[in-house]
Amino acid sequence: AQTVTQSQPEMSVQEAETVTLSCTYDTSESDYYLFWYKQPPSRQMILVIRQEAYKQQNATENRFSVNFQKAAKSFSLKISDSQLGDAAMYFCAYRSLGGSGGSNYKLTFGKGTLLTVNP
Amino acid sequence: GAGVSQSPSNKVTEKGKDVELRCDPISGHTALYWYRQRLGQGLEFLIYFQGNSAPDKSGLPSDRFSAERTGESVSTLTIQRTQQEDSAVYLCASSFRAAGGTEAFFGQGTRLTVV
Repeated sequence: AQTVTQSQPEMSVQEAETVTLSCTYDTSESDYYLFWYKQPPSRQMILVIRQEAYKQQNATENRFSVNFQKAAKSFSLKISDSQLGDAAMYFCAYRSLGGSGGSNYKLTFGKGTLLTVNP
Repeated sequence: GAGVSQSPSNKVTEKGKDVELRCDPISGHTALYWYRQRLGQGLEFLIYFQGNSAPDKSGLPSDRFSAERTGESVSTLTIQRTQQEDSAVYLCASSFRAAGGTEAFFGQGTRLTVV
């Protein structure tokens, strides 16, 4: 079974600064998807960014980018030019692409990192 | 509707009572998921529906939990004889296809408090 670990329960950053959230995962599969979701106080999960494991290029979405290290099974999220609206819980998630008995629909989540943005 | 809708938003119930939580997925989304989020924890998979296929119930924590979905429409999650450990936020998500990088869209969840 896949596991996802977020080792930072809480992080804080000054507005306009850069912060990196860590995520590691454990899998025996060679291809899969990784996601970062944001959960603001409204509770609604919002997709921030996704990465397919076979793609070597790191995904980027505006101020959000990832550092995907497949061999190390690491998938960190970098937020540049942090804004007050970035304050939220951030969850890293893993999804198998199936095959070899894998379930290609369950998203397995880490426990989350609470990000505070200081003005 | 424009997004995944869940009701009620909050529910307080007495221990031992049954509760029913509702999820309206995005129209046309064939896949529907239920997750449980305990305080300070990540999301715990409960159950998955894909069209008219048999649901994957492997995440349901006990036989007090059940869920139904008719076709590609509304789903209900029922918890019988609620216990205090059932207190959590229950999140529903839907996606167009249940595969790979397909984005799952989440509702705002139902916060269940068992007193």
